[in-house]
Amino acid sequence: QVQLVESGGGVVQPGRSLRLSCAASGFAFSSYTMHWVRQAPGKGLEWMAVISYDLTTKYYADSVRGRFTISRDNSRSTLYLQMNSPRAEDTAIYYCARAGSIHHNYLDPWGQGILVTVSS
Amino acid sequence: DIQMTQSPSSLSASVGDRVTITCRASQDIATWLTWFQQKPGKAPKSLIYAASTLQSGVPSRFSGSGSGTDFTLTITSLQPDDFATYYCQQYTSYPLTFGGGTEVEIK
Repeated sequence: QVQLVESGGGVVQPGRSLRLSCAASGFAFSSYTMHWVRQAPGKGLEWMAVISYDLTTKYYADSVRGRFTISRDNSRSTLYLQMNSPRAEDTAIYYCARAGSIHHNYLDPWGQGILVTVSS
Repeated sequence: DIQMTQSPSSLSASVGDRVTITCRASQDIATWLTWFQQKPGKAPKSLIYAASTLQSGVPSRFSGSGSGTDFTLTITSLQPDDFATYYCQQYTSYPLTFGGGTEVEIK
């Protein structure tokens, strides 16, 4: 079955770096656009970034542009989020999600999420 | 950016009730809208995409409607498993944006 599993979360100091990974299985990873979405504790959902199936297109939310970088390794069926210079307000559960289809860019399925806490 | 406004932000309902949640986009998004259900401590689950297409495996008591700027999620007979938070999201353009959520609580 289709599965997305995030890893790499934890506590990171402000200004340091952290890389999240999302391991995909059960589908042709190299054919799908992939996203990162986050949810601060007790808050709503915030879309972060997207990368096209062929790595040619990337978009970011204003809140992370220039600090976070989305990437992927299609040979490893893995999506990444490099978090540089994190701030306290980046504390959240981070989800990876697949585009629902090549024609519809809704998010389905989602990973289980990984908690990132930015704190000194 | 396209702003998505959901209402109400919370509601209390009983098992068997009909529940309606609305979502309004700040500009025309045609039918590029999806609805999610999220339970505490869990990832969001897609219920409906393209405004009205039910995801495989989602019970038929869920339905979506609307186009342009105004959309509705309806649960025709609320079940115990439906108490959760619901979000709408537009996917016509980046940044993708979500509504603020509607928490459906037990009356």
